[in-house]
Formats: sequence, structure tokens, C-alpha cells
Amino acid sequence: GAGVSQSPSNKVTEKGKDVELRCDPISGHTALYWYRQSLGQGLEFLIYFQGNSAPDKSGLPSDRFSAERTGGSVSTLTIQRTQQEDSAVYLCASSLEGGRSTEAFFGQGTRLTVV
Amino acid sequence: QQQVKQSPQSLIVQKGGISIINCAYENTAFDYFPWYQQFPGKGPALLIAIRPDVSEKKEGRFTISFNKSAKQFSLHIMDSQPGDSATYFCAASRGHNFNKFYFGSGTKLNVKP
Repeated sequence: GAGVSQSPSNKVTEKGKDVELRCDPISGHTALYWYRQSLGQGLEFLIYFQGNSAPDKSGLPSDRFSAERTGGSVSTLTIQRTQQEDSAVYLCASSLEGGRSTEAFFGQGTRLTVV
Repeated sequence: QQQVKQSPQSLIVQKGGISIINCAYENTAFDYFPWYQQFPGKGPALLIAIRPDVSEKKEGRFTISFNKSAKQFSLHIMDSQPGDSATYFCAASRGHNFNKFYFGSGTKLNVKP
């Protein structure tokens, strides 16, 4: 079936506005991850959902960032009161489960630009 | 503190040459070390991965060498091709959080025809 789908592909927003980024994981995948890729930097873990377990939010950089996953499928990453340093590519990945030997597949990302 | 350090930042190799990218890690609890390949405008894709119980893994032209005592691992691309031009990321994870990765900063590889 289709891979991980992210929308929008690009988002330009004004500083101080809220934005929502969406991720549709591969059907049947119970684990979902959000990463951030800043210009010239590696990928930075943000948050991890596994089934009905409490999410691992340890990578969220501030309380302006939040994410939810409804019905164990679609996930939304919300950034409130955006700042210029939030400009980055936000990548979502999913895997069959969070445990061993399950490859994570990445979407192509949402490029967020805060002006 | 960056848990996985990657070098070089960029690399230019002639077609047919060997590309070598190096990574070092600090946390001895890491037990899974993948390499991801990313083309412009695309998400990263798993290229090859290794666990610390072996010192080398080869898949086609791609080889991972792993030195547990030095806490280092490297990617070798033999007979590099222009189609290999991409950004390569090393990563590490541990335990049950299998895909919760600590990524290196990436290496942009350019293979000249």
C-alpha cells in the first residue's frame, strides 16, 4: 500500500501563529515517530507513539510543541506561537511495532518556514 | 550533548572510488546502528544496519564496519556511483525503543562521473 503520508508538504507561517502538521502512517503500523531536521543538522527525535501506551514525549523541545494520535492511526503535531527557530523539516515515521526488527519508514516531511 | 558524532560533513568521490563515512557514539547501551540514505526532497530510507555482536556487515556495495571497543562504526561504499549521491545519516538506538534514534549530523556525498 501507500507509504507514510505527510501534509502539507510546505508550510509558511508568521511568527506567533499556531501550526498543525499531519501524518498518515502506513496502514497497520502501531508505532509512530516524529523527528525534526533543521538546516544542516541531523534528525532530532521529538515524540513516539506505540499503540495505546503513553507516548514518549522526551524529545519535545518546549511546551509549545504537542502531538496526538487519534484512533491509533493519524497523528498531528501542533506547534503553538511559532518562532523562527522552529523552521525545519518535520519528518514522521511509522513501523509495525516499536520493538526489535521492525524497520521504520519515513514520510517525505513537512518543510515549515516561520517568517 | 550530541550522542552520535558523524564525519565528514561532506564528501566528494570519483565514480568507482570508495566512499567512507565515520561515526562515533558515547552510550554503550546502544545496540542497533543503522545507516539511512536521504535524497533531496525525500524522507530518509534504511540502507543497512548492524548490531554490536558482529564487526562487519556487507550488503552489495555497502559495508558497515563496527568497532565496539572504540565505540565507532563506519559506512563504506565500494565502486561509488553518481546515483549514490545523497545525504547519509548514521544512527543509534537501544533496547525496546528500537526506532527511537539518535542521529548523526549527516554527510552529503557527491560522486563525480
